Amino acid sequence: SYELTQPPSVSVSPGQTATITCSGDALPKRYAYWYQQKSGQAPVQVIYEDKSRPSGIPPRFSGSSSGTMATLTISGAQVEDEADYYCYSTDSSGNYKVFGGGTKLTVL
Amino acid sequence: EVQLVESGGGLVQPGGSLRLSCAASGFTFSTYWMSWVRQAPGKGLEWVANIKQDGSEKDYVDSVKGRFTISRDNAKKSLYLQINSLRAEDTAVYYCARERGYDHDVDYWGQGTLVTVSS
Repeated sequence: SYELTQPPSVSVSPGQTATITCSGDALPKRYAYWYQQKSGQAPVQVIYEDKSRPSGIPPRFSGSSSGTMATLTISGAQVEDEADYYCYSTDSSGNYKVFGGGTKLTVL
Repeated sequence: EVQLVESGGGLVQPGGSLRLSCAASGFTFSTYWMSWVRQAPGKGLEWVANIKQDGSEKDYVDSVKGRFTISRDNAKKSLYLQINSLRAEDTAVYYCARERGYDHDVDYWGQGTLVTVSS
């Protein structure tokens, strides 16, 4: 099996920078992906292949990866960014497809 | 516009079966890998299964192997998940999902269908 580890919660004030981390042994070899899930809604992809932004995602969302840790950064977080965020990746062989446990972002 | 609409969820007793369906539109269904991802109430996302464009390759999370079967009908632009021998821990919202790339990440999700396993 394979695991990705995220902090359970992150809290920032509006306008501050929110940083959410995701650690996994295979991340030096595999891309990380990030999803935002607002309450009662389906997830939305906000970052793919470590740092690319899908069309329609605001530029305040950015991603990076170094060693065994991937990071989602929300620069100038807004109240509407309050949500659960999940990282996704695979083990080094690509056999295990896993999501991190999720991080609840509070912006207030 | 990409749309994925799930159906078939409901209340089922332990040991029972259900067939989930997903109707796709707004893209060329036959050219994409497709997945099912589930989320237990108040819990995180769990990848469940996926299927190649022509149905020739399928993969499952260990906890559902032998009980769940993923399939597709490209002519009907539909994805299915047959779930048998249901357990309480299978209670979840099941999302139909379109895969984007080599790592089988998802770029579009349906709104989900709730499966509740309870006596």
